[in-house]
Amino acid sequence: NAGVTQTPKFQVLKTGQSMTLQCAQDMNHEYMSWYRQDPGMGLRLIHYSVGAGITDQGEVPNGYNVSRSTTEDFPLRLLSAAPSQTSVYFCASFVRKVDTEAFFGQGTRLTVV
Amino acid sequence: AQSVTQLDSQVPVFEEAPVELRCNYSSSVSVYLFWYVQYPNQGLQLLLKYLSGSTLVKGINGFEAEFNKSQTSFHLRKPSVHISDTAEYFCASSYTGRRALTFGSGTRLQVQP
Repeated sequence: NAGVTQTPKFQVLKTGQSMTLQCAQDMNHEYMSWYRQDPGMGLRLIHYSVGAGITDQGEVPNGYNVSRSTTEDFPLRLLSAAPSQTSVYFCASFVRKVDTEAFFGQGTRLTVV
Repeated sequence: AQSVTQLDSQVPVFEEAPVELRCNYSSSVSVYLFWYVQYPNQGLQLLLKYLSGSTLVKGINGFEAEFNKSQTSFHLRKPSVHISDTAEYFCASSYTGRRALTFGSGTRLQVQP
């Protein structure tokens, strides 16, 4: 039972490069979210999805795109990486309601130079 | 809008001593509250949650939290900590209809021998 799987675990990008952070869950959860974690700021919501084909913006969406073509996958795309996007990124999935437990991936540590 | 404030960024404590990690929330609607723990280089794991009912909530690893509506607080406590409790702890909130969690900035618990 894999839970929530994020790849890659580490990545270094040059300013202006693009890349996709992958997130997959095998629990048939409808809700999925992307957060970024920065020191002293906790986790901030980037984008979320309530089902295949449905996505919406969170608190800090600028510079990121998402899509949800299947229930299992929720990739996060950085269009043109900037040093301000250096962070640890977490993907989370929930059963339909947010009053249930969120399951988190192990995170992707991204450095933009 | 919801917000979650964790009043201490770091809490040093000696092994076998009691600890309290403080969390205050703001919400104009009925709120769900959570505590998550993050061990080094790992994702987040649910410790406990308050949805409704009894204001004293017991979680894993001997932790408990008390929901106090009048003080808008949800402090986390453990009567006797272990070295293995060294981690970062996040308080989070949500409410019916919201599709994600709002996190506090985190408290780093450092248990010293």
